[in-house]
Amino acid sequence: DQQVKQNSPSLSVQEGRISILNCDYTNSMFDYFLWYKKYPAEGPTFLISISSIKDKNEDGRFTVFLNKSAKHLSLHIVPSQPGDSAVYFCAAFYSSASKIIFGSGTRLSIRP
Amino acid sequence: NAGVTQTPKFRVLKTGQSMTLLCAQDMNHEYMYWYRQDPGMGLRLIHYSVGEGTTAKGEVPDGYNVSRLKKQNFLLGLESAAPSQTSVYFCASNLPAGTATYGYTFGSGTRLTVV
Repeated sequence: DQQVKQNSPSLSVQEGRISILNCDYTNSMFDYFLWYKKYPAEGPTFLISISSIKDKNEDGRFTVFLNKSAKHLSLHIVPSQPGDSAVYFCAAFYSSASKIIFGSGTRLSIRP
Repeated sequence: NAGVTQTPKFRVLKTGQSMTLLCAQDMNHEYMYWYRQDPGMGLRLIHYSVGEGTTAKGEVPDGYNVSRLKKQNFLLGLESAAPSQTSVYFCASNLPAGTATYGYTFGSGTRLTVV
C-alpha cells in the first residue's frame, strides 16, 4: 500500500516555463512533506519542505503547495532551467514513526 | 566536512555470497537509515536506527541485517545475496524527530549487482 504516490513517472517542460510536479498521499497523520532532487549517480538532496499546518512554502524559484482536504501537494518551479532536469521525489514524515516515506519519483526533463 | 560516506560505490556479487555495506557520517546525527532504490519503486526503507546500539525494520527488511555499534557508523549486511537484491543502496542520516523540516542527508549510493 503506497502511502505517497507520484502518478507521473516523467515530465518534459520547455526552459523558462513552469514545471508542476504532483504528489498524493493517503495518511492524514503526516507532519511534514518534503521534496528531494536526485541527479544520476548521486544521492537525493533535500529541496524544500512544508509543515502540515501550512498551505504554501516558497524558496526562490521553488514553491510547494499543500491541499490537506485533497491529500495532495505540488511542487512548482518557475522559471524552469536546464539544471532542474533530475528525478524529484515527494516524501512525507510523521514524527511518531521517525522515518520518511518516499514516492516513486518523477523524472523532469527541461528542453531548450 | 564529508557528510555521509558510503563504501563501496560499486560491487558485483555472485548469488550466495555475502557482503557488508558501510555507511559513515560525521555530523553527529542520531538517526541513520538504509534505503534501496529500484526503477518505478522509489526509495524503500530497509532498516533504520534511532541511536547507537538500536536498530529497527523498515518496509523491506528480509535478506538484510544491520548493526549500529558506533554512533557514526551503520552497517548493512547481506548474508546470502540473491539477484532480487540487485539495486542501488542509499544510506541517510538525520537529527532526531522535530527537525524533519531539513530532511535527511544522503550518501552517494552503492550500486550492487548480484549475478
